[in-house]
Amino acid sequence: DGGITQSPKYLFRKEGQNVTLSCEQNLNHDAMYWYRQDPGQGLRLIYYSQIVNDFQKGDIAEGYSVSREKKESFPLTVTSAQKNPTAFYLCASSSLQGYGYEQYFGPGTRLTVT
Amino acid sequence: AQTVTQSQPEMSVQEAETVTLSCTYDTSENNYYLFWYKQPPSRQMILVIRQEAYKQQNATENRFSVNFQKAAKSFSLKISDSQLGDTAMYFCACSGAGSYQLTFGKGTKLSVIP
Repeated sequence: DGGITQSPKYLFRKEGQNVTLSCEQNLNHDAMYWYRQDPGQGLRLIYYSQIVNDFQKGDIAEGYSVSREKKESFPLTVTSAQKNPTAFYLCASSSLQGYGYEQYFGPGTRLTVT
Repeated sequence: AQTVTQSQPEMSVQEAETVTLSCTYDTSENNYYLFWYKQPPSRQMILVIRQEAYKQQNATENRFSVNFQKAAKSFSLKISDSQLGDTAMYFCACSGAGSYQLTFGKGTKLSVIP
């Protein structure tokens, strides 16, 4: 089945530690995205990538880093510089052709930092 | 750049009744795309319906339809014959043609009451 996988579903970390969230897709999509979701805030774009080895900052990139070494994978690292890392993180992907770059989402990772 | 506003934080509807969720947007693009996404308690984001701005005909997907008023920059979602499985957060989103970024509203929490 084609789709997007994110792991793990729940992640717990101590303050001051970096943590990496996994995102893999087998939809052969060129573009991938990371969003953060907080209660009452909707989805906010962290980073996106249109092609391997290239990525751009979104609206809230501070304290986060990404890599795109393979088309299928777009891991997100939440660094210790992120002041408020506890949130729900969603990964998405889209084709760069066709209907307005419609995005497909993974199941998300809930990160809790204490 | 786009902005998306959903003015109804919460709504409820009786099972089998019809409900309309409101969305207004602002964009400087001449062509753009509008989407409604559903996020049930599982938190998986699911595309419900999409509309291309230069198409005048309102989009319909089974029990879901939109009322697209381009001049008023309004994009409301109508759910007919509401079912318990429609209980979810609903997000309105907009992207410019050629843009990789989706701008989301803050969401409307819909509860379907048996």
